[in-house]
Amino acid sequence: GDSVTQMEGPVTLSEEAFLTINCTYTATGYPSLFWYVQYPGEGLQLLLKATKADDKGSNKGFEATYRKETTSFHLEKGSVQVSDSAVYFCALRIPNTGNQFYFGTGTSLTVIP
Amino acid sequence: DAGVTQSPTHLIKTRGQQVTLRCSPISGHKSVSWYQQVLGQGPQFIFQYYEKEERGRGNFPDRFSARQFPNYSSELNVNALLLGDSALYLCASSLQGQGRISFEQYFGPGTRLTVT
Repeated sequence: GDSVTQMEGPVTLSEEAFLTINCTYTATGYPSLFWYVQYPGEGLQLLLKATKADDKGSNKGFEATYRKETTSFHLEKGSVQVSDSAVYFCALRIPNTGNQFYFGTGTSLTVIP
Repeated sequence: DAGVTQSPTHLIKTRGQQVTLRCSPISGHKSVSWYQQVLGQGPQFIFQYYEKEERGRGNFPDRFSARQFPNYSSELNVNALLLGDSALYLCASSLQGQGRISFEQYFGPGTRLTVT
């Protein structure tokens, strides 16, 4: 079935370090891929998305490239800040199947000064 | 503009009781989806409603039901509560819910349900 596998956390980085959170997926058809972020005590916010192979989504210094050949959508940021501390979720949606999203288990990131 | 709103914020219920959670989508959004997020896990899809009709259902028992009203707000009902139903229940709205285009989902802050 359709699913998303994320890198296990928690991840702790120093400010200005490079971030990579791995995400791979299994899907029928051609999914759209998303990264959502959840700050403490809040709901999920869309961080970035990509709807077809080789698309690169980017927002707030975060980037992720839709790699069909490796079924991956890894999240990267060149220099993290304390304010990036949150839980990050990778998700996919299969077009023409309603609006059901499949989420990974989440990766907790803590950035220390 | 107001985002997705959910009520109540927190709820404590006893096993066997019934609960109703409410969601108001962003103005103009016609699709509402419900998700269950157990602590430490990603959200799990429960239902999607679009134009007041159920368009998708996840792998949840019949104790879970939902409906969408003419103003596109929605209710999620859970009967015969179990301890395992304790979770954060998230509502998400989007412009549409069908077709190839992935309309972005906007999530509300959730309702924290604790079953004792």
